[in-house]
Amino acid sequence: NAGVTQTPKFQVLKTGQSMTLQCAQDMNHEYMSWYRQDPGMGLRLIHYSVGAGITDQGEVPNGYNVSRSTTEDFPLRLLSAAPSQTSVYFCASSYGGRGETQYFGPGTRLLVL
Amino acid sequence: LAKTTQPISMDSYEGQEVNITCSHNNIATNDYITWYQQFPSQGPRFIIQGYKTKVTNEVASLFIPADRKSSTLSLPRVSLSDTAVYYCLVPFMDTGRRALTFGSGTRLQVQP
Repeated sequence: NAGVTQTPKFQVLKTGQSMTLQCAQDMNHEYMSWYRQDPGMGLRLIHYSVGAGITDQGEVPNGYNVSRSTTEDFPLRLLSAAPSQTSVYFCASSYGGRGETQYFGPGTRLLVL
Repeated sequence: LAKTTQPISMDSYEGQEVNITCSHNNIATNDYITWYQQFPSQGPRFIIQGYKTKVTNEVASLFIPADRKSSTLSLPRVSLSDTAVYYCLVPFMDTGRRALTFGSGTRLQVQP
């Protein structure tokens, strides 16, 4: 199993550009989440999904969209990048949402100029 | 969204036992309490998980009182490599669904 994969590993964007961060898992997990982590700070929940076709907003959803058309994939879209979105983005998946072990991807480092 | 509450930082010396307590007043009856460890530039890594009473694995113990409103992660005989940020995670009910939000974490510094 590859676990949770994220692409790209690193990305530089200009203000106003859009892009999609990819996340995929091969563990047939229903629950998937996106977090961002700013330097020296904790992880903040952006969006999450309890299953295909269902998504919800987390703590900091503004400026991001998600979709969950399949169980495996959970892409995160930045609509119009801003310097405040410079961060490391982690995708995670778990069997369910009751606090079961979350498996994290390696992260995507995003720099917005 | 509701958060867990942990001490911001702790200092220890090699060989000592470290206990980190997390408060989570709004935990649902059937939800797990999970602790993660994070090193710089890496994603969080699972340490231990429990539902009630005490759980022990090869790296840590987790103590959960009967009311489940707090939990304590115990790291026996820490080493320099245990220097990291530790998070407890408890699901939070948000508009009928469970959101997995992290608290601020506890930064553990282990010194020689």
